[in-house]
Amino acid sequence: NAGVTQTPKFQVLKTGQSMTLQCAQDMNHEYMSWYRQDPGMGLRLIHYSVGAGITDQGEVPNGYNVSRSTTEDFPLRLLSAAPSQTSVYFCASSNRDRANTEAFFGQGTRLTVV
Amino acid sequence: AQRVTQPEKLLSVFKGAPVELKCNYSYSGSPELFWYVQYSRQRLQLLLRHISRESIKGFTADLNKGETSFHLKKPFAQEEDSAMYYCALRGGNEKLTFGTGTRLTIIP
Repeated sequence: NAGVTQTPKFQVLKTGQSMTLQCAQDMNHEYMSWYRQDPGMGLRLIHYSVGAGITDQGEVPNGYNVSRSTTEDFPLRLLSAAPSQTSVYFCASSNRDRANTEAFFGQGTRLTVV
Repeated sequence: AQRVTQPEKLLSVFKGAPVELKCNYSYSGSPELFWYVQYSRQRLQLLLRHISRESIKGFTADLNKGETSFHLKKPFAQEEDSAMYYCALRGGNEKLTFGTGTRLTIIP
């Protein structure tokens, strides 16, 4: 199993540009989520999804869009990049079964907005 | 609302000494609590969860509902324990909320 795969690993954007961070998992997990990791602030939830066609906002959703058209994929879109969105982004997936809710993480995408 | 607090950003401990990483939570229902670890250049991964009540790599954590705490403990620190540790809470709405993390450094 590949687990959770994020692309790209690194990206530099200019202010105002848009882009999509890709996330795919092959474990048939219903739950998927996006976090950003900033020094001193831990991991903050951006958006999450409990299944195909269902998404919801986390703590810091502004400036980001998501969609979940399939169980496997959960892309994160930056609509108009800002320097404040410079961060490391992590995608995670897990089962909804309360007996086994371990979250599996991607390797992260380091984004710099200049 | 659900919230996780890790009061220590940095913690340095000598090899062989006991380790305790603090975690307090705020949640009105019955939470699931986890500890995740991120070793250098590796992905974030699960260390342990309160439901399984097991010891992983010598670490244990007990859920104390009265004090709303889930502190991580190890009696004798090893150099390979140096890493970033995150406490996390999953609530009834299935959101997984993380604390700000504690960077643990084991001094040889």
